[in-house]
Amino acid sequence: EEQLVESGGGLVQPGGSLRLSCGGSGIRISDYEVNWVRQAPGKGLEWISYISGSGSKTYYADSVKGRFTISRDNAKKSVSLQMNSLRGDDTALYYCARGPSSSSLLWFDYWGQGVLVTVSS
Amino acid sequence: SYVLTQPPSVSVAPGQTARLTCGGDNIGRKSVHWYQQKPGQAPAVVVYDDSDRPSRVPERYSGSNSGNSATLTISRVEAGDEADYYCQVWDSSSGQWVFGGGTKLTV
Repeated sequence: EEQLVESGGGLVQPGGSLRLSCGGSGIRISDYEVNWVRQAPGKGLEWISYISGSGSKTYYADSVKGRFTISRDNAKKSVSLQMNSLRGDDTALYYCARGPSSSSLLWFDYWGQGVLVTVSS
Repeated sequence: SYVLTQPPSVSVAPGQTARLTCGGDNIGRKSVHWYQQKPGQAPAVVVYDDSDRPSRVPERYSGSNSGNSATLTISRVEAGDEADYYCQVWDSSSGQWVFGGGTKLTV
């Protein structure tokens, strides 16, 4: 089955750090733009970060700017989200989602099943 | 920052037509994408670039976009269409993707 697979979630204390990873199973993510989207329990979708296929362009939501860093290793076929200074309102299911191009900022055609991040003491 | 406004809920009887709206300032100038999310599942695109459909999505799903409102129309609604629906645009002025708050479609 073609899908994205996230990993790295878990329980972390406020102020702590966590690193999420996203890879493709049956589909390529190398050279494709990738986004991270999160969904707090019972809430809607919130886009948080984007990286172009080459890694040369990155964008962030205001809510995570300065705390989260997106990166990619196309040789390893993975995209990572480094999350620092975590807060309670970062608790959510985190999805990675691929776009169908390298850098055209198109829709998200493939999504992972999500990884849960819980920030709590 | 750019804001997309969706009604929290829409209810429609089976076989009828559901119209889900997404409001935004001059949204007609942007490309709007729509995602369906069923309970416990990841979102999936049902309409992209205002009115295009992935091949796996039934023709009953269609989209339009003009002025300050975009609409996802689902014809001959079935029980399996019950889900949350989110609209999305790219806001070039802020360099951010924006999702609407979502509409829960009840059949």
